[in-house]
Amino acid sequence: AQSVTQPDIHITVSEGASLELRCNYSYGATPYLFWYVQSPGQGLQLLLKYFSGDTLVQGIKGFEAEFKRSQSSFNLRKPSVHWSDAAEYFCAVDTGTASKLTFGTGTRLQVTL
Amino acid sequence: DGGITQSPKYLFRKEGQNVTLSCEQNLNHDAMYWYRQDPGQGLRLIYYSQIVNDFQKGDIAEGYSVSREKKESFPLTVTSAQKNPTAFYLCASSRPGTGGYNEQFFGPGTRLTVL
Repeated sequence: AQSVTQPDIHITVSEGASLELRCNYSYGATPYLFWYVQSPGQGLQLLLKYFSGDTLVQGIKGFEAEFKRSQSSFNLRKPSVHWSDAAEYFCAVDTGTASKLTFGTGTRLQVTL
Repeated sequence: DGGITQSPKYLFRKEGQNVTLSCEQNLNHDAMYWYRQDPGQGLRLIYYSQIVNDFQKGDIAEGYSVSREKKESFPLTVTSAQKNPTAFYLCASSRPGTGGYNEQFFGPGTRLTVL
């Protein structure tokens, strides 16, 4: 069965610093990959997605992610973090069967001023 | 505006009671999902439905029940058999796109607390 690992439970960065959140997946073929963001007490908002083609995908709010098949990774990046980016971030994988997503356990981002 | 609504936002239940969480979408999506979120555990799938009048168990279906009588609605009942129901519940919907990908849209959630 597919699985998603987000090794960092909590990350703290300074405003203006760069950010990279890690995501590793386990699946034999090329999966469909997603990053979602969740503010406290709210639902999830899609940041970006990868299905095929260019391995560097651009999303909303200045985020990007790179799919690396050799490393089974789909890390999320942002060049300069804003205080409003403080939230919890979830990586998810869809193997294309049964219309289900498998989520990682999330990374909570704290931004210091 | 199209979207997903969940009600109520907060729900309190006494032990031994069944409660029903509402989820409605006007996105014309075929598939709908219920997730449970606990701190440090991410989202876990409870039930999902790909078409009206059909649904399947997810990873943690025990103690929960659903129905899908209308395309727009997918209510979740938390029964007294669910031993630890206090959690944040999220509803989502999707419409399979080209190549079968599955972009899910989420509602704002319902926080259920057992007293």
